[in-house]
Amino acid sequence: QVQLKQSGPGLVQPSQSLSITCTVSGFSLTNYGVHWVRQSPGKGLEWLGVIWSGGSTDYNAVFISRLSISKDNSKSQVFFKMNSLQDNDTAIYYCARWGGYYYPMDYWGQGTSVTVSS
Amino acid sequence: DIQMTQSPSSLSASLGERVSLTCRASQDIGSSLNWLQQEPDGTIKHLIYATSSLVSGVPKRFSGSRSGSDYSLTISSLESEDFVDYYCLQYASSPLTFGAGTKLELK
Repeated sequence: QVQLKQSGPGLVQPSQSLSITCTVSGFSLTNYGVHWVRQSPGKGLEWLGVIWSGGSTDYNAVFISRLSISKDNSKSQVFFKMNSLQDNDTAIYYCARWGGYYYPMDYWGQGTSVTVSS
Repeated sequence: DIQMTQSPSSLSASLGERVSLTCRASQDIGSSLNWLQQEPDGTIKHLIYATSSLVSGVPKRFSGSRSGSDYSLTISSLESEDFVDYYCLQYASSPLTFGAGTKLELK
């Protein structure tokens, strides 16, 4: 069945970078895209960006200068990296599968809770 | 960016009651709206796609509809597992945006 499993640190120091890996199963990254979304108490759910099946990316303009999404199709892994984290980047970060136009986020990872603190 | 104004932010209801949640879009999004359900542990599930189509496996007590720029999620008869959080998502244009959420609470 379709699964997305996330791994990454729970604590990041201010000004440092955050890296999360989303390992997928039950589908191929050559056929499906993967979105990244975060959820914070202050801003609710925010769309961060997406990597499409062909490898191209689209980013939310708010984060474009410090966000990078890449993938390794052979390992079924998507890599999320955000630089220069500050306190207000404390959030739960999710990856979610793009399953087609009407299914932009049809399956979700379990979420990675990230706290930015020294 | 398209703003999705979701209401109410919280709703207290009883088992068996019929409830409706609403998202209002700041611009035309056509049928490009989905509803998501979030459990207390953070798990997110896809409920409704394209405004009114039920995702396979989702109970038929859930339904979606549209009236102009208002999009609604209706639960016809609340069951205990329905008392969680709900969000709308528009994907008509980038950036994709979400409603602020509705917390459904047991009265």
